[in-house]
Amino acid sequence: SQQGEEDPQALSIQEGENATMNCSYKTSINNLQWYRQNSGRGLVHLILIRSNEREKHSGRLRVTLDTSKKSSSLLITASRAADTASYFCATDDWGAQKLVFGQGTRLTINP
Amino acid sequence: EPEVTQTPSHQVTQMGQEVILRCVPISNHLYFYWYRQILGQKVEFLVSFYNNEISEKSEIFDDQFSVERPDGSNFTLKIRSTKLEDSAMYFCASSVQGKNTEAFFGQGTRLTVV
Repeated sequence: SQQGEEDPQALSIQEGENATMNCSYKTSINNLQWYRQNSGRGLVHLILIRSNEREKHSGRLRVTLDTSKKSSSLLITASRAADTASYFCATDDWGAQKLVFGQGTRLTINP
Repeated sequence: EPEVTQTPSHQVTQMGQEVILRCVPISNHLYFYWYRQILGQKVEFLVSFYNNEISEKSEIFDDQFSVERPDGSNFTLKIRSTKLEDSAMYFCASSVQGKNTEAFFGQGTRLTVV
């Protein structure tokens, strides 16, 4: 798989349930970032987790990072209709000043 | 809250024409970027810019592309002679530092080449 691949590609759940999205990557990284994109709109930064961190929280978001498995997960708890969007992980190639994005997970929250 | 702003939000241009996409990064940020997203595909890095010069560019960023910071606030992407395949959403981003800091993105410019 390519750098920053998300899994699943699409996820549909009921409002109030938790949503978990996964991301795998291949190279060494300084950090991994998660972004949200509403349809046809810009990328909204959600959270950054550094390579020496294992878990990070922000409101209803919980991100984990396992550098040994080169994977990360984004958990959204108590989902809301407004969480409907595409979610992307992005990694920085070690030493590079750029982000490499995955294909994203399209999350749909059903009322 | 400070944000990256991009203009125009949508531009339609004839194939072969030059276009300039404009961005105003967050004021205390030092690193600036352009990315693009072809419809239905992943976001792709084009170029990074620091201290008035390109610090990194991708294979996509060929001689048809150029970037400029003409004054203290604007950051522009110029495509000299547009092709149909340049149709995409173009995102500007900025960050305080080049590494290990959040990159904040604008709302994007949807470029349609006809």
